[in-house]
This record gives sequence, C-alpha cells and structure tokens, in this order.
Amino acid sequence: DTEVTQTPKHLVMGMTNKKSLKCEQHMGHRAMYWYKQKAKKPPELMFVYSYEKLSINESVPSRFSPECPNSSLLNLHLHALQPEDSALYLCASSQDSRAGGPQNEQFFGPGTRLTVL
Amino acid sequence: KNQVEQSPQSLIILEGKNCTLQCNYTVSPFSNLRWYKQDTGRGPVSLTIMTFSENTKSNGRYTATLDADTKQSSLHITASQLSDSASYICVVSAIPNFGNEKLTFGTGTRLTIIP
Repeated sequence: DTEVTQTPKHLVMGMTNKKSLKCEQHMGHRAMYWYKQKAKKPPELMFVYSYEKLSINESVPSRFSPECPNSSLLNLHLHALQPEDSALYLCASSQDSRAGGPQNEQFFGPGTRLTVL
Repeated sequence: KNQVEQSPQSLIILEGKNCTLQCNYTVSPFSNLRWYKQDTGRGPVSLTIMTFSENTKSNGRYTATLDADTKQSSLHITASQLSDSASYICVVSAIPNFGNEKLTFGTGTRLTIIP
C-alpha cells in the first residue's frame, strides 16, 4: 500500500468554526508532513513530524494545530481561520525526515481543498 | 538562500509532440533532485528522483537529466498525451548537518497538451 489518504476532500468553514483535517498512511513511514498550497504556487511546508514528535514548525500561526496520535495518523486542527487561509492542504509521508536520497521519497496525499468564508 | 527556478512558466504543445522542461537550482548541501507531476487540485506524484552521481533517469515517456556541475536538470516528455496536461514541479532536497531533510520547490511549469 503506497497510498496517503486525506479526509475530507473538500471543507468549507466559517471563521468561528473548529474543524480538523485528517491524514493516514500505512507504509510504515516515520515522517509525516503538512503543506499548504495556494493556486498556481508550489507547496509550502508547514509542519514535520518525525517519529511522532513535532520536529519542524515553519512559523505557522497558532490557529493551525497539528497532532500526530500515532505513526500512521496526522491531524491538522483548525480554529478561527481567516479567508486567506483558503488553500489546498497536502499531507505527505516519507521513511525518515532525517535521511535523504531516493529511499526518503515523499508520498503526497490528494489534498483537502479548504475554503474559509 | 536555496532557490529552484523553472522554465518555461507555461507551455502548450500538440498531442504527440515532444517537449523539454528546465530546472536550475542553487541548493546546498545537495542531496537529490525530484520531478513531480501535479494535476490541478491533486497532490504531486513523483516521476523521478536523482542523486548527485546520476546523470539521467527514465520513467516511461519521461526522462530526467541532471548536471550537478552546472546545477541544471531537465525533464523530457516524449510523444505527449492529453493526460500529460499538468504542472511539473522540480524539487531539490538538502540535508543540513544534524538536521531534517529540507525540500525546495520550484514554481512549476504548467503544460497543456492540445489535440
């Protein structure tokens, strides 16, 4: 199974709502990532989890709160978002964020299209 | 500052024709270079990964080249098909000492294949 799944596919929320994005992989990968991608732009790294511990936070506002309940799951909790947070949110996983080379290829999920009204 | 630049920004070609996309990078310390294909509204899918010692790598109709001396890479698509219409993103990986792998993404080339 070389698939990263993300739910929901689409999410529309108001600025006062609390919602969560979910990501799952069963490849035995120990690194998981959240990216944000605006239209016609490359993905921007938000968070990296390595062995279920947060290892990179790219100065993301606190209205985004990541959580890694176990090695297969990654959540992104959303609260009090702004309209400019509307974007495609991508989850990815790889064998180990501290390694490099072809064996550490990042596999991306299909993304969640988030719209904040 | 690590940077990855791609050209052209967009490209339109007839079905069946070949095309070549370019990627120039200034990333240190270099670990590997990847080409991804991304359909609109979907996650990127890996096409090729090349390390410092590899000059060329193929994946079906896709052939990537790497010149580590000039820090340039290209992606050649042969006999294009309508399904090749997508954004192609060049991604360069760096491994800082005692740090996590860091990816630098290019802005992509938007390829459109017309019948």
